[in-house]
Amino acid sequence: AQSVTQLGSHVSVSEGALVLLRCNYSSSVPPYLFWYVQYPNQGLQLLLKYTSAATLVKGINGFEAEFKKSETSFHLTKPSAHMSDAAEYFCAVSENNQGGKLIFGQGTELSVKP
Amino acid sequence: DAMVIQNPRYQVTQFGKPVTLSCSQTLNHNVMYWYQQKSSQAPKLLFHYYDKDFNNEADTPDNFQSRRPNTSFCFLDIRSPGLGDAAMYLCATSRDRRRAYEQYFGPGTRLTVT
Repeated sequence: AQSVTQLGSHVSVSEGALVLLRCNYSSSVPPYLFWYVQYPNQGLQLLLKYTSAATLVKGINGFEAEFKKSETSFHLTKPSAHMSDAAEYFCAVSENNQGGKLIFGQGTELSVKP
Repeated sequence: DAMVIQNPRYQVTQFGKPVTLSCSQTLNHNVMYWYQQKSSQAPKLLFHYYDKDFNNEADTPDNFQSRRPNTSFCFLDIRSPGLGDAAMYLCATSRDRRRAYEQYFGPGTRLTVT
């Protein structure tokens, strides 16, 4: 079965600092991976996705993620944090042959200090 | 703009009183999903419709049911809400349930059970 682990339930950075949110996956087949962001009392918004094309994926709001098969990782980064980046971030893998079911990590709450 | 709409955004119901949550989409997507998200947790898939084909998750309680009268609308019915059903309910859509396709989420309905 596929699974996702997000290291760190809370990450705090200063405004302008590098953002690094960690995601490791487990999959017996080439994975399809997604990062979603959730602001308080809102739904999830897709930041970016990996579907076996380029290993470095660029998303919205200046975020990007790199797929590393050898490390089974798909970490999310942003060079310079903005106050508006404060939110919950979910990494997810799409189940193989399960109707597109998303398996989510437990989420990482990002705080940005002024 | 094409989008996923959920009504109401906030719903209060009494213990044991049936409640229905609504989701509509203007994306003309084939797949509609219902997720339950409890506080500080990742979303958990309850079921999905692929066109008119209903697919229930094995661990979804019988108390939860769904209807999809047409492509645009999908409803979540909770027959006898318990205190443990208080959560955010998220509707999502996808063009197809092949795993390469991302899901588009609505803003959610926050359900309170008194």
